[in-house]
Amino acid sequence: ELKVEQNPLFLSMQEGKNYTIYCNYSTTSDRLYWYRQDPGKSLESLFVLLSNGAVKQEGRLMASLDTKARLSTLHITAAVHDLSATYFCAVDIGAGNMLTFGGGTRLMVKP
Amino acid sequence: EPEVTQTPSHQVTQMGQEVILRCVPISNHLYFYWYRQILGQKVEFLVSFYNNEISEKSEIFDDQFSVERPDGSNFTLKIRSTKLEDSAMYFCASSEFGGLAGPDTDTQYFGPGTRLTVL
Repeated sequence: ELKVEQNPLFLSMQEGKNYTIYCNYSTTSDRLYWYRQDPGKSLESLFVLLSNGAVKQEGRLMASLDTKARLSTLHITAAVHDLSATYFCAVDIGAGNMLTFGGGTRLMVKP
Repeated sequence: EPEVTQTPSHQVTQMGQEVILRCVPISNHLYFYWYRQILGQKVEFLVSFYNNEISEKSEIFDDQFSVERPDGSNFTLKIRSTKLEDSAMYFCASSEFGGLAGPDTDTQYFGPGTRLTVL
């Protein structure tokens, strides 16, 4: 059974600081996604990572993938309040595009 | 920008009643999905659907659940006899392709969700 674990589950940080969210998964994956969810809202696709060493950046967020370690990271640079949300990683092991989600990291950025 | 829509946004029902949750996927998408998120927990896959058939389903998707594409635009999830533990946010998602074409076209786009409350 595929397990996807994120840590930390909750992160409170000051504006301007850097931090990293980790996503570990237990089996070989075809691709890994990062989604953002604002309170009471839907999930917004941020990144999809395919291959070992893949790195993608959008604004203050950068995602990377190490398939050998079965680890993805989402790095936040110089956080701003607008980044406050819950971030989920999700793994696709190639079975009908079925996504297995991590537990989510709730990020709060304080002014 | 095209988006997935879902109705209703909130559904309250009595235990044992049938509910139908409705979704309109993005128009050129071929693959459709239902996920659920119990309050405070992770998002869980229920079922994927392609070409009028279920492609994959999870253990959660038992005989009380069914999906249907009744016309060219809607995609529905029916729960025949609701239980208290069915209370959750239900998300519909769609993708252009289903995991073999490439990351951009396989990415799943999620609707805003229907909050189901079973009393």
